Order: sequence, then C-alpha cells, then structure tokens
Amino acid sequence: GAGVSQSPSNKVTEKGKDVELRCDPISGHTALYWYRQSLGQGLEFLIYFQGNSAPDKSGLPSDRFSAERTGGSVSTLTIQRTQQEDSAVYLCASSLGGAKETQYFGPGTRLLVL
Amino acid sequence: GESVGLHLPTLSVQEGDNSIINCAYSNSASDYFIWYKQESGKGPQFIIDIRSNMDKRQGQRVTVLLNKTVKHLSLQIAATQPGDSAVYFCAEMDTGANSKLTFGKGITLSVRP
Repeated sequence: GAGVSQSPSNKVTEKGKDVELRCDPISGHTALYWYRQSLGQGLEFLIYFQGNSAPDKSGLPSDRFSAERTGGSVSTLTIQRTQQEDSAVYLCASSLGGAKETQYFGPGTRLLVL
Repeated sequence: GESVGLHLPTLSVQEGDNSIINCAYSNSASDYFIWYKQESGKGPQFIIDIRSNMDKRQGQRVTVLLNKTVKHLSLQIAATQPGDSAVYFCAEMDTGANSKLTFGKGITLSVRP
C-alpha cells in the first residue's frame, strides 16, 4: 500500500505566524512519530503517539509546538508564533507499534521561516 | 548524556569498492540499532537493523556489525554503486525505556564512477 505521506511538501512563512503540518501514516500502523531535521544534522525526536495512550511529548522544544492525532490515524503538528530557528525539515514516521518495529518515514515538510 | 555519533562526516569511494561506515554510541542500555539511508529531498529509508543479542547481520549487499564491548556499530556495503550515494544515519534505541530512536548526525557517502 501507500507509504507515509506528508503535506505540504514545502512551507514558507513569516516569523510570528502559525503553521500546521500534516502526516498520513501507513494504514494499520498504530505508532506515529514526529522528528525535526535541521540542515546537515541528524533527526531530533519531537513526539510519539501509540494507539490510545497519552503521547510522549518529551522532545517538543517549547510550548509553541503541539501535535494531535485524530482517530488514531492522521496527525497534525502545529507550530505557533514561528521563529527563524524553527526552519527545518519536519519528518513523520509510522510503525506497527512495538518498540522494535521498523519506522517508515514520509518525505518530510520543508519549513522556512522568514 | 546519551549520544550517537559518526566518526567521519564524508566518505568517498570508488564504484565497485566496498564501503564501511562507522558509528559510535554511548548509551550502554541501547539494545536495538538501525541504519537509515537518506537521499536528497527524501525521508530516511530503512536499510538494516540489529538487536543487541547479535553481533552481525547480513542483508542484500549490506552487513551490519555490532560490538557492544566498545559500543560501536558499522555498516558495510559491498560493491558500492552510484545509487548508494546518500547520507547514512545510525540510530539506537533502549527498548526497555521507550520507543524513541536517537540518531547520529549522518555521514555522506559519495561514489566515484
């Protein structure tokens, strides 16, 4: 079936604006992850959803960042009052749910805050 | 603190040669390790994984070696091809603690024709 999809693929916004990034995981995958990748860097964990459990938000860098996962499927990452340092690629991944299950990544959303 | 890092930022190899990409990790509790490949403009793609009860695992043209004594992970690519050119990331997880992957910073593999 289809892989993980993300939208938009690119987003340019002005400092101070809010943005919403969307992730559609692979059908049947109960776990969903958000990561941030700054230029030339590795991936930084942001948040993790597993089924109906409370999400692990330990990686969110500030309270301007939040995420939701509705109906156990689609997820939205929201960044409020964007700052230039928020510019990065935001990657979503999904897996079947167990800790050792392979995480499959989407193509990412490239966010540029001017 | 926990960290996963790569020894070299870039690696250039001749097409047809074997490539070896190395990675060090510091969390001795990590028991699951993965190599990802990321091509320009794409998300990371799973290559191969290994659990801590193994020291070697082979896939198609790739082999991952794990040395828990020195906390070292390596990815070997046999007969490197131009399509192998990408950034490679190692990642580690302590599955007893959580399901979060900790990624290294990545190494760029460049294959010379």
